[in-house]
Amino acid sequence: EAAVTQSPRNKVAVTGGKVTLSCNQTNNHNNMYWYRQDTGHGLRLIHYSYGAGSTEKGDIPDGYKASRPSQENFSLILELATPSQTSVYFCASGEGLGVETLYFGSGTRLTVL
Amino acid sequence: GDKVKQSPSALSLQEGTNSALRCNFSIAATTVQWFLQNPRGSLINLFYLVPGTKENGRLKSAFDSKESYSTLHIRDAQLEDSGTYFCAAERDSNYQLIWGSGTKLIIKP
Repeated sequence: EAAVTQSPRNKVAVTGGKVTLSCNQTNNHNNMYWYRQDTGHGLRLIHYSYGAGSTEKGDIPDGYKASRPSQENFSLILELATPSQTSVYFCASGEGLGVETLYFGSGTRLTVL
Repeated sequence: GDKVKQSPSALSLQEGTNSALRCNFSIAATTVQWFLQNPRGSLINLFYLVPGTKENGRLKSAFDSKESYSTLHIRDAQLEDSGTYFCAAERDSNYQLIWGSGTKLIIKP
């Protein structure tokens, strides 16, 4: 079974602060994704990666950076957090070989005060 | 407008009954995935579909790319089926999914 681990599970940050959300997958998947989930919306793609060293902008990248230093790790970085970034963030991984089932982490609940 | 529109937005059923959830696409979807977000918030992949049908236990899903829709049928609903069901469509085989807003399903004893 695919294993995607996110940390932290919960985070409270102050406006203007820097926040880093971490994601680790142990399945040697090529693709990794960061989504946010807000009430009334499905998941919205922030950034994604096709492999180590690669980051691509998703549908809502403004205010976020991403880093993929290795196959296993994919981070989401909020350099200057704002209250509008209060949300639940999900990381996912997928094989990226044409037939891609996504495996999700348990989510990180971020509150920006 | 919504590129992936799910219906209904919410549904309440008695245990043991059947239900059908639907996604309509205004994009040229190449594949569809269905997920269940359980009450703890975890997202579980249910189906990955190219055009056609798949069945897994009490769940059956179909994807018709020509008519631009997908369905998820739940037979003999159980309490543990409660949660929010999401469909997500892949466009142009680029691995990026476009998500619907979900159907919140409550199963009552």
